[in-house]
Amino acid sequence: IVLTQSPDTLSVSPGERATLSCRTSQSVDSTFLAWYQQKPGQAPRLLIYGASSRATGIPDRFSGSGSGTDFTLTISRLEPEDFAVYYCLQYVSSPRTFGQGTKLEL
Amino acid sequence: QVQLVQSGGGLVKPGGSLRLSCAASGFTFTEHYMSWIRQVPGKGLEWVSYISGRSRYTNYADFAKGRFTISRDNAKNSVYLQINNLRPDDTAVYYCARDVSDYQYHGLDVWGQGTTVTVSS
Repeated sequence: IVLTQSPDTLSVSPGERATLSCRTSQSVDSTFLAWYQQKPGQAPRLLIYGASSRATGIPDRFSGSGSGTDFTLTISRLEPEDFAVYYCLQYVSSPRTFGQGTKLEL
Repeated sequence: QVQLVQSGGGLVKPGGSLRLSCAASGFTFTEHYMSWIRQVPGKGLEWVSYISGRSRYTNYADFAKGRFTISRDNAKNSVYLQINNLRPDDTAVYYCARDVSDYQYHGLDVWGQGTTVTVSS
């Protein structure tokens, strides 16, 4: 299953809303769709699993939605620490596959 | 607390071999699949392999079939990735991650700190 994220880069300002897209090449059970945040030099951090459930400790400004082949990560009010690269992952089938990433830049 | 601590990695000549290790703590290790993921410098995340809790099932990305071997030692709460016949394009940061269990489908929810593998003569 190929995951295509858009856009590749999103230029936004603190306080604004960011909407990131992840499209899958075939329908994915939303139970098995996750989103990650990665900052330079750090391991990825799980934000959302099951398409819409926030992981432990993730602020409620992060939300996930979608079904079938279209999934969205929304960050409602960007904080300075949110500027990073975001990846989606499907884990319904093998091989597990990641999207190519969306870079959120100032 | 739940954590994964990685070791291994380093500078290896082309054609060499390496074993990466990942020690788990803070959770029931045998209940979870474990995965390896790699990231070429400046590029995205690439899933490599997973192994089930009792080692019954393994799976590999196409590029990993034949040269990569995943294994685990549940007595040591550890998972390993053996890479043989290393090539320069295997140069990457390798991460281990906790994967799903029979009752928890949170994806790759806990990650190790990463270990760098550099393949160069």
